[in-house]
Amino acid sequence: GESVGLHLPTLSVQEGDNSIINCAYSNSASDYFIWYKQESGKGPQFIIDIRSNMDKRQGQRVTVLLNKTVKHLSLQIAATQPGDSAVYFCAENWDSGAGSYQLTFGKGTKLSVIP
Amino acid sequence: DAGITQSPRHKVTETGTPVTLRCHQTENHRYMYWYRQDPGHGLRLIHYSYGVKDTDKGEVSDGYSVSRSKTEDFLLTLESATSSQTSVYFCAITGNSYNEQFFGPGTRLTVL
Repeated sequence: GESVGLHLPTLSVQEGDNSIINCAYSNSASDYFIWYKQESGKGPQFIIDIRSNMDKRQGQRVTVLLNKTVKHLSLQIAATQPGDSAVYFCAENWDSGAGSYQLTFGKGTKLSVIP
Repeated sequence: DAGITQSPRHKVTETGTPVTLRCHQTENHRYMYWYRQDPGHGLRLIHYSYGVKDTDKGEVSDGYSVSRSKTEDFLLTLESATSSQTSVYFCAITGNSYNEQFFGPGTRLTVL
């Protein structure tokens, strides 16, 4: 699979502010793009996904934006809370053949929330 | 952790020894995955399985083999452990959506 990367490896945000985590991707054939959150000592946890034919999707306090023209994905977290401190990974879902799907993960961005 | 357990949770072994990590799920899901996580590399797919006895290689499969004789168990074997295989290993299953993978708690493996 092709690579999925991140613009910023670390991000510090004041509690209550909005956070924006960015990701660049290179495989334009991916069907879905996904964000995962990983807290210290735990496995990654699914946050939200977006289909490749959409440009915006909202969840609870989170919004994912997809710009296919520049192959850019972002995760916006509203009113960032201390519990949002974690490493965030973008991932792309692609068909590896015969109906088998794989996720390719980016390297991650660490979000630190300042109380 | 969505009914996924991994064992052991921590292991220290010596170079050249075989090591087997076990992933067990109670969700009866078809797809299971093994990833390794290293600083600067994120999560990389080692092998995955799409059914009993059906497995395929991922991005970093060299030095690893897998087996799936039952739906609930997916084993990862390091045939002859090397220091470069020191890592945290995560097992995952796919839920109702292929996008949503549920991860186990991880196994921290140290190869001396």
